Amino acid sequence: SAVISQKPSRDICQRGTSLTIQCQVDSQVTMMFWYRQQPGQSLTLIATANQGSEATYESGFVIDKFPISRPNLTFSTLTVSNMSPEDSSIYLCSVTGTVSRDTEAFFGQGTRLTVV
Amino acid sequence: GENVEQHPSTLSVQEGDSAVIKCTYSDSASNYFPWYKQELGKRPQLIIDIRSNVGEKKDQRIAVTLNKTAKHFSLHITETQPEDSAVYFCAASSTLKIIFGKGTRLHILP
Repeated sequence: SAVISQKPSRDICQRGTSLTIQCQVDSQVTMMFWYRQQPGQSLTLIATANQGSEATYESGFVIDKFPISRPNLTFSTLTVSNMSPEDSSIYLCSVTGTVSRDTEAFFGQGTRLTVV
Repeated sequence: GENVEQHPSTLSVQEGDSAVIKCTYSDSASNYFPWYKQELGKRPQLIIDIRSNVGEKKDQRIAVTLNKTAKHFSLHITETQPEDSAVYFCAASSTLKIIFGKGTRLHILP
């Protein structure tokens, strides 16, 4: 399995500002992803974080709004830029491709973001 | 890209009865179908998964079936218990990228 540390666990931010969320895994993994989850809703994939190159974004998400970094096989960041109240959500880091369970997805505890 | 449809969105069953959740997927290349359980305020956790070369898999009270021709897969929970109350997500994957259904909120009634 993989132990994922995601921080901050929650934050309240002013509109127009940016927040960077960090995801640290305790072992090297093949894939790292960022999801968004509105309360009571499904997990919507934002992007795949690619090591050493630009992230691959899903339809409806763009790099200017959600810049992502992945400098190595165990760490990634997601920035929510120029925030508006519509960005209030839970953001989850996820990984697949661990040594012991290559297809299972493991999740961080999430970052609950409130934009005021 | 892959699209996963999940039904029903809400399901209430009497304790001890069975619950069935159904999903369909669109991408014929998908070959891995996990099911996740998410309790309130917690992260999703894998409860069972099935690969495309298998038609059925069972783990105690939980079973999953897959019809690859029809692109259907289902979760079956028997002898439901109060701790089964949660949101359940089906998902499909072909390249380690997992696409989730919209979820089913399962209520176990006393």
